[in-house]
Amino acid sequence: SQQGEEDPQALSIQEGENATMNCSYKTSINNLQWYRQNSGRGLVHLILIRSNEREKHSGRLRVTLDTSKKSSSLLITASRAADTASYFCATGYSGGGADGLTFGKGTHLIIQP
Amino acid sequence: NAGVTQTPKFQVLKTGQSMTLQCAQDMNHNSMYWYRQDPGMGLRLIYYSASEGTTDKGEVPNGYNVSRLNKREFSLRLESAAPSQTSVYFCASSEAGGATYEQYFGPGTRLTVT
Repeated sequence: SQQGEEDPQALSIQEGENATMNCSYKTSINNLQWYRQNSGRGLVHLILIRSNEREKHSGRLRVTLDTSKKSSSLLITASRAADTASYFCATGYSGGGADGLTFGKGTHLIIQP
Repeated sequence: NAGVTQTPKFQVLKTGQSMTLQCAQDMNHNSMYWYRQDPGMGLRLIYYSASEGTTDKGEVPNGYNVSRLNKREFSLRLESAAPSQTSVYFCASSEAGGATYEQYFGPGTRLTVT
């Protein structure tokens, strides 16, 4: 079962605007990661935030984490056409002996030029 | 560095046929993974390998077998393909397991089973 759920499922904005997408998860976590997937490609890691961190920045990306609400948000500032992609949050998979990630369904972001 | 490579990129199989998806990484990572991605879905973990010779089942292991041949290579085998296995398959690697380390993904194999 999927741990994280992104919201909204799809988002279309104008170039230069900010894009915010949210992720909610069900069980307690140690870390949460965000990934980007361009159409037809593999996932690319964007940022990792630890459970004892509230906010983290990387370039035009800002990620927040609220463990009390079991939620995270990804903000992309000053969006560009190249930011058009699907964005996924991921947390640790807890099942059997496997030690991977569990992903949400993603937010599909479209940046209109 | 090539990162994570996967072969083939595309494959069409008939129901009941078998095939092996190959994956290799050149980053000296210990952990490797196989995921599948269905339309409109996130990735689901099929199998995980913490090191050479060790594998663990993930969320959706039924119908698949894996082999961690050495530190670099991790293959996924479909013994008798079914239409439900039509999907895009991604291999990934990381320094170690869990959500503590970022994962590096290959470009994917798009598999259609008719």
